[in-house]
Formats: sequence, C-alpha cells, structure tokens
Amino acid sequence: EPEVTQTPSHQVTQMGQEVILRCVPISNHLYFYWYRQILGQKVEFLVSFYNNEISEKSEIFDDQFSVERPDGSNFTLKIRSTKLEDSAMYFCATGQEYYEQYFGPGTRLTVT
Amino acid sequence: AQSVTQPDIHITVSEGASLELRCNYSYGATPYLFWYVQSPGQGLQLLLKYFSGDTLVQGIKGFEAEFKRSQSSFNLRKPSVHWSDAAEYFCAVGGGEYGNKLVFGAGTILRVKS
Repeated sequence: EPEVTQTPSHQVTQMGQEVILRCVPISNHLYFYWYRQILGQKVEFLVSFYNNEISEKSEIFDDQFSVERPDGSNFTLKIRSTKLEDSAMYFCATGQEYYEQYFGPGTRLTVT
Repeated sequence: AQSVTQPDIHITVSEGASLELRCNYSYGATPYLFWYVQSPGQGLQLLLKYFSGDTLVQGIKGFEAEFKRSQSSFNLRKPSVHWSDAAEYFCAVGGGEYGNKLVFGAGTILRVKS
C-alpha cells in the first residue's frame, strides 16, 4: 500500500539555523499539508498546498516558514531561522481529494 | 470558534472489554469526521472517516464510529479490545467551515490491561 514518507526522521539544529523537512507524497495525490505537534499538545495545522500554491495557512505559518514542490514530487517545509519553540514533530499529509488526508511518520525537530 | 473536544484524556480498559471513545465538535452543519490512531513514536494512521450517508461507519482494525447529528458527536467504538490497541486516538474534523484543513481534538490515550 502506498505511503507518505518523510525525511529525516529526526533533525537536531541550533537556534537561528535553517532547516528543510522533506516529504514524498503518495504518487497521485494533489493536496499537500503540513501539521505539527508540540510534545504533549494537539496536532496543529500549518499550511495546505494545491496546484503549486498555498491554499490556506494558519497563524503559526509566518514569514519564517515556506513550502514548495521543488521537483514536482517532493514537498518541502523550510524554516528559515529556527527558534526553540519550533521544536515539535512535523507531519506531512497528502490526499487525492481535499477532504482526505494520509499522514507520514513525521520528522522530530529539536532546536537547541 | 471551531473546536473538537475529546473529554477523556486517558482511558483504561481490560483486554477483551468493549471500548467507546468520545468526540464532540462545534459546527452548525455536518463536517467531515475522522478518527486517527498514533502509536508511540509513530505517525497518524487513519482508522475511519465519515462524509455522508449511513451514520455508522466501519474502519480498520475492527473499529467503528457513529455520527449523531443531534449531539454533534462522532464516538469511536470497538466491541473487544486487544492489547495492541493501546495507543493515542485523535478525532478530527474538516470541510465546510473548517476548510480543507483538519482540526484535531486533544487525543485520548488508551491503556489496555491484561
């Protein structure tokens, strides 16, 4: 069964550094999302992406964040200058329809 | 404000016993409703979803959920719990007022005792 994959599984970075989290969607999926889960808290929506543009973003998704599909297959989340409070599990989700989302295993980001 | 409530933070059941996890949402119309399961250190696996039609939906691993419009609820059930069901369960809603994002509840941690 096809799955969403994410790399790396764990990323440790220093405050102020840039990080790029990568996701490989299921091949025929058209809708892409990033969510995050701070330890012990709810899963929170960050951004949705369709037809090569952001369709919706949350208040969390400020100018420090960006998304793109650099090669038409991978879907990336970039954090330009990481802060301590960016430490969380980041989940990519993809779907063939906008109401159907399949999640990847997540990338644990630790900012020191 | 859009919200999803899972009133039980922890639930402990004996292996073989039945299970019901509660979920309520705040929204006037019927959104799309989902249950996901997360094992420790793992991602979110979709258990089942409801969009329309029959209000009792079947999912994977023997789970089912019932949508009750009058109660704005979408409770998850399983008739006989297995030790491998121990995990955290998240209710989520999307569509309509929620747009194409999912709004998650806080989760319910299920412990299974033998």
